Amino acid sequence: AQSVTQPDIHITVSEGASLELRCNYSYGATPYLFWYVQSPGQGLQLLLKYFSGDTLVQGIKGFEAEFKRSQSSFNLRKPSVHWSDAAEYFCAVLIYGNKLVFGAGTILRVKS
Amino acid sequence: DVKVTQSSRYLVKRTGEKVFLECVQDMDHENMFWYRQDPGLGLRLIYFSYDVKMKEKGDIPEGYSVSREKKERFSLILESASTNQTSMYLCASTHVRGGGGEDNEQFFGPGTRLTVL
Repeated sequence: AQSVTQPDIHITVSEGASLELRCNYSYGATPYLFWYVQSPGQGLQLLLKYFSGDTLVQGIKGFEAEFKRSQSSFNLRKPSVHWSDAAEYFCAVLIYGNKLVFGAGTILRVKS
Repeated sequence: DVKVTQSSRYLVKRTGEKVFLECVQDMDHENMFWYRQDPGLGLRLIYFSYDVKMKEKGDIPEGYSVSREKKERFSLILESASTNQTSMYLCASTHVRGGGGEDNEQFFGPGTRLTVL
């Protein structure tokens, strides 16, 4: 069955430090992959998406993600975290019928 | 910009009440979705709709029903609310059914936090 695993429930980083959030997926076909961010009390905002082509995808707010087929991974990265990046991050894979399967989410805390 | 709106940000209901959650999108999207979000579980799909008057069950449809009488509006109904339905409910919409390409992005509303007492 299709699934998405985000192994880290919580991550704390210092402001200005680099960030990597992990995402592994299980899907038989070529995956379409997404990262969404949810600030407290808000809906989900799309950070970036991968459909095909270049495996390094650039998104909004300085985020990027790299698709690695051999590792079934789509990790999210940012070189320097800002306090405003504190939020919950969700990885998702698109399956048949335009449905998304989400991971459980990773809560990012930023310490000053 | 695509806009997805939900009728309430916060809602408090009593056990056994019938609850309606409304979602409206303004981009003429064919597909609409209802998810519930719980800590540690991510988002789980309750129901979705590909077109007016069409609906399909998602992963956790028990205790819920939906209605889509107009293309822009998708309602989630809790026939008899229970405390285990206390959750955040998120609506989303997207353009194209199936296939690939940029149109597969889902756009989300702000969510309704429902508390059932």
